[in-house]
Amino acid sequence: EAGVAQSPRYKIIEKRQSVAFWCNPISGHATLYWYQQILGQGPKLLIQFQNNGVVDDSQLPKDRFSAERLKGVDSTLKIQPAKLEDSAVYLCASSLVGLAGSQNEQFFGPGTRLTVL
Amino acid sequence: SQQGEEDPQALSIQEGENATMNCSYKTSINNLQWYRQNSGRGLVHLILIRSNEREKHSGRLRVTLDTSKKSSSLLITASRAADTASYFCATGRGGGTSYGKLTFGQGTILTVHP
Repeated sequence: EAGVAQSPRYKIIEKRQSVAFWCNPISGHATLYWYQQILGQGPKLLIQFQNNGVVDDSQLPKDRFSAERLKGVDSTLKIQPAKLEDSAVYLCASSLVGLAGSQNEQFFGPGTRLTVL
Repeated sequence: SQQGEEDPQALSIQEGENATMNCSYKTSINNLQWYRQNSGRGLVHLILIRSNEREKHSGRLRVTLDTSKKSSSLLITASRAADTASYFCATGRGGGTSYGKLTFGQGTILTVHP
């Protein structure tokens, strides 16, 4: 079974530039998550999709970050314009939808390491 | 916001020894999960324990959950150099409206010396 795919693996940009990350979840996984992981910290959820709808974007800095999941499969996360503090690893994860009240494990991609200079 | 707090922040042991990591959380949960992250890579799911369970085993891993103390522990027995990684606990509030959202702790860095 193919895992969660992400690209690019590494990206270096100047501040105020824009950048986009791509994620392809595991086939059949309805739920897709984007996390930001700053060095030395645990992942922080940015946005969560259920099929192609957003169910949680409460921690997404909407003035500069945007994400979409067209057709309920692939997803892109964009930052425009980037700031120095956006330097982090951006992780994509997917999971099956659990039965009411239950929860399943999340499968993570390798991440994109973003450096903003 | 980070819900889980892992303790210790870093742990250094010799191969063959056991490693114990602890996690405390603040709000009620549906389940608690442990993940491993090797340097520069994505997270790998290790084990999930539900709020109505007290202990779970998977290979060399043993997880306990005490909902009255809002704490969990991960024990790795007979550690190997390949176990060197960061370990994160993550709390989930279940399906329903939260759709399986997880809140991760800061992690414990485990180093196993050959």
